[in-house]
Amino acid sequence: QVQLQESGPGLVKPSQTLSLTCTVSGGSISSGSYYWSWIRQPAGKGLEWIGRIYTSGSTNYNPSLKSRVTISVDTSKNQFSLKLSSVTAADTAVYYCARDIRFGSSGYSTEDYWGQGTLVTVSS
Amino acid sequence: AIWMTQSPSLLSASTGDRVTISCRMSQGISSYLAWYQQKPGKAPELLIYAASTLQSGVPSRFSGSGSGTDFTLTISCLQSEDFATYYCQQYYSFPRTFGQGTKVEIK
Repeated sequence: QVQLQESGPGLVKPSQTLSLTCTVSGGSISSGSYYWSWIRQPAGKGLEWIGRIYTSGSTNYNPSLKSRVTISVDTSKNQFSLKLSSVTAADTAVYYCARDIRFGSSGYSTEDYWGQGTLVTVSS
Repeated sequence: AIWMTQSPSLLSASTGDRVTISCRMSQGISSYLAWYQQKPGKAPELLIYAASTLQSGVPSRFSGSGSGTDFTLTISCLQSEDFATYYCQQYYSFPRTFGQGTKVEIK
């Protein structure tokens, strides 16, 4: 069974860049027709989809964050990463990585397996 | 972006109750809707996709229905482990969006 684990600094200063990595185990990140996603959740609030990447490098981003977000993939390490630049306190949240799976032949897909999440606090 | 209105935001119920949660879209999404369950301090878990298809391993007391703009999650006989927060998510178009969540608490 696939497992995902987020890692990275838990504290980032305002205006700096938040960097997180998701390590995938239990299978190759390149196998199957999976995308790999990032989602975040401020404390006590709802979920916000950040974006996703395919192992070819193809990405989809949330327009509300697109100017600040970069998602990349390193297939040799079975990892994918998130960078969010110019962070403010509003970016404080638990960040989740997840596998994006296509169900059936519709071409549409969504997240099935999620990592446990990692809290990132933006503060000086 | 497609917006959704999820209701109620808080639902008080007892073990054994039948509960329903609604999710209404700002535009039609066919059946491209998922339901997730989240417990405190844990990641969301996929319950239902394609509006009504149960994810593997999910108990049959969970069911989903709807298409277009109106969707429902039903728990037929609430168990103690079902007290959690539930989110709908549309994956018809980008950006994917989630409902505001429904917390199911013990009455």
